[in-house]
Order: sequence, then structure tokens, then C-alpha cells
Amino acid sequence: GDSVTQMEGPVTLSEEAFLTINCTYTATGYPSLFWYVQYPGEGLQLLLKATKADDKGSNKGFEATYRKETTSFHLEKGSVQVSDSAVYFCALKNTGFQKLVFGTGTRLLVSP
Amino acid sequence: DVKVTQSSRYLVKRTGEKVFLECVQDMDHENMFWYRQDPGLGLRLIYFSYDVKMKEKGDIPEGYSVSREKKERFSLILESASTNQTSMYLCASSLLGQGANTGELFFGEGSRLTVL
Repeated sequence: GDSVTQMEGPVTLSEEAFLTINCTYTATGYPSLFWYVQYPGEGLQLLLKATKADDKGSNKGFEATYRKETTSFHLEKGSVQVSDSAVYFCALKNTGFQKLVFGTGTRLLVSP
Repeated sequence: DVKVTQSSRYLVKRTGEKVFLECVQDMDHENMFWYRQDPGLGLRLIYFSYDVKMKEKGDIPEGYSVSREKKERFSLILESASTNQTSMYLCASSLLGQGANTGELFFGEGSRLTVL
């Protein structure tokens, strides 16, 4: 079945450092890909998405490119802030299905 | 502001009790979902519903049931709570369909259940 694999955390960075969180997926067909973020004490919210190969999703300085050849959707940010500390989830939604499949989440800790 | 509201943020129940977790959305979404979130396991789908009175099992439905009597409300029921059901429960909703604008889930803030 469909699955999403994320790098294990926590990822610990200093403010203004470059961030990469790796995400790879296994799916038949042409899924849509998502990054969700969960701030402490809150539910998840959509950060960005991409619906077809080579699409780049971007929001709040974060970017991710849908790479079909490597089945990847890595999350990047050029300069992280303390306020980016959260848990980040990669997810996919396959054609013909209503549900999303999530990765296990990666915790990001940013120190001043 | 669109919203998914879960009735209880924190609950403490005893083993064997019947537990109801309520979720209401105001976005007129067809799809509603219940996930549980556990450290190291991410989000796992318990049940979902794409219409009133319709339900589909997710990946871990054992020990749970659901009810969707109205479009805006989706309830998760633990018939006889057990300690291994201690977890964070997240409700979400989304539009029905296959288009590029569908698939985004809107989440509630979660209900943290402790079963003693």
C-alpha cells in the first residue's frame, strides 16, 4: 500500500540555519503530496502542497519540490526561526482515495 | 474563520468506560476523519466518513466505532476504553473530490485521552 517515510528527529538547529527534512514516498499512480505542521498544543495545519511532478509548493519561506524520479518531497527553508519549532508531517493523497497517508513526523527544535 | 471543533481537549477515563469524542466542522465538508497520534507512529487513521450515515474503516478501527448523523458532526466512540487507547485523537475534515483543490485536511486541536 501507499506509505510515507520521513527522517527521524529531533532536528536541532540554531536560528538562521538552513533546514532540510527528508520525505520519500511509495505509491501507485500520481499522488498529491503535502507538508503539514503542528505547533505545540495545536492541531495540524497545511504548510504547503504539490499536486503533480516537478511542482514546487511554498509558504512562509518553506519550499518542497515534487520529484517523481526519486519519489521525494523534501522540505527546505533557507533560514529558520525559533518560531518554526514544531513537528512537521509529510503526507500523500492518492488518486481515487479521499484519505491522506502520513509519515511519522519530524520534530524541529530551533534555538536562539 | 473556518473551524473544526473537538468537544474536549483533555479527558481522563477508567478502563471499561464508554467514551464519546465529538467533532463539529462549519465548512460544509463531506469528508470527516478520526486519527490517533502517538509518538514514533505519526497519525494513524481510525475511521472516516464521506457522507451522512456512511463510514469506512481506516487502518486501526479495532476497539472503536463512529457515528455521523449530521453532516457537520462526526463522533468517535470507545465502547469499552482500555489503557492502550491512551492517545491524542485528532478530527479532520475535507472536501470530497479528486481535483487539485481537494485533499487538504482541516484539523481540530485534538483531544488527549488518558485511560487509567
